[in-house]
Amino acid sequence: GAGVSQSPSNKVTEKGKDVELRCDPISGHTALYWYRQSLGQGLEFLIYFQGNSAPDKSGLPSDRFSAERTGGSVSTLTIQRTQQEDSAVYLCASSHYKNTEAFFGQGTRLTVV
Amino acid sequence: AQSVAQPEDQVNVAEGNPLTVKCTYSVSGNPYLFWYVQYPNRGLQFLLKYITGDNLVKGSYGFEAEFNKSQTSFHLKKPSALVSDSALYFCAVRASKAPLYNQGGKLIFGQGTELSVKP
Repeated sequence: GAGVSQSPSNKVTEKGKDVELRCDPISGHTALYWYRQSLGQGLEFLIYFQGNSAPDKSGLPSDRFSAERTGGSVSTLTIQRTQQEDSAVYLCASSHYKNTEAFFGQGTRLTVV
Repeated sequence: AQSVAQPEDQVNVAEGNPLTVKCTYSVSGNPYLFWYVQYPNRGLQFLLKYITGDNLVKGSYGFEAEFNKSQTSFHLKKPSALVSDSALYFCAVRASKAPLYNQGGKLIFGQGTELSVKP
């Protein structure tokens, strides 16, 4: 596709369950980012992948959060033992070179009940 | 540490008046700077960027921004605001060089500024 694709668009889960969020970046983009946006709030950086380098995980809020990027393309963000405070919109973005803008997906709205 | 500050949570402007949304940043070395806009229930859209060269950059929808290295600022401006400009605006910074990443470091966003343009 032409843009960044995220799935699912909406996810409702019970507290304590694990969830997986998927991101398909724009083909050829070497950089991939995950962010979290709570209602009406800013973008909280979670994790950054760049090529074959080790990811920058400095934004992950706890060890319940993890992410992978397979083959330098698709990425999965996993949240284990979800809590109500994990409810937010999770945004994925990708960019080509360091001096180019990042393109965002439409996000996954996660609701933990 | 890399950071972005948007000191105003909200900016109110009358239609037709000039608008400014403020942004200051902190990063090691030379910055790459970006502005994004988010309309209600929609994704983030890129507006403009500063990479190098002319300090005044022009972007989409008549917006422009001025890079000021001495003040570490990158304020967003528009000469004449429209009601349709009402949205949430985000400033972002990326280090041009970062340890371990030859393509630059992570992209960090400010907390956003809600722009309200009234008729």
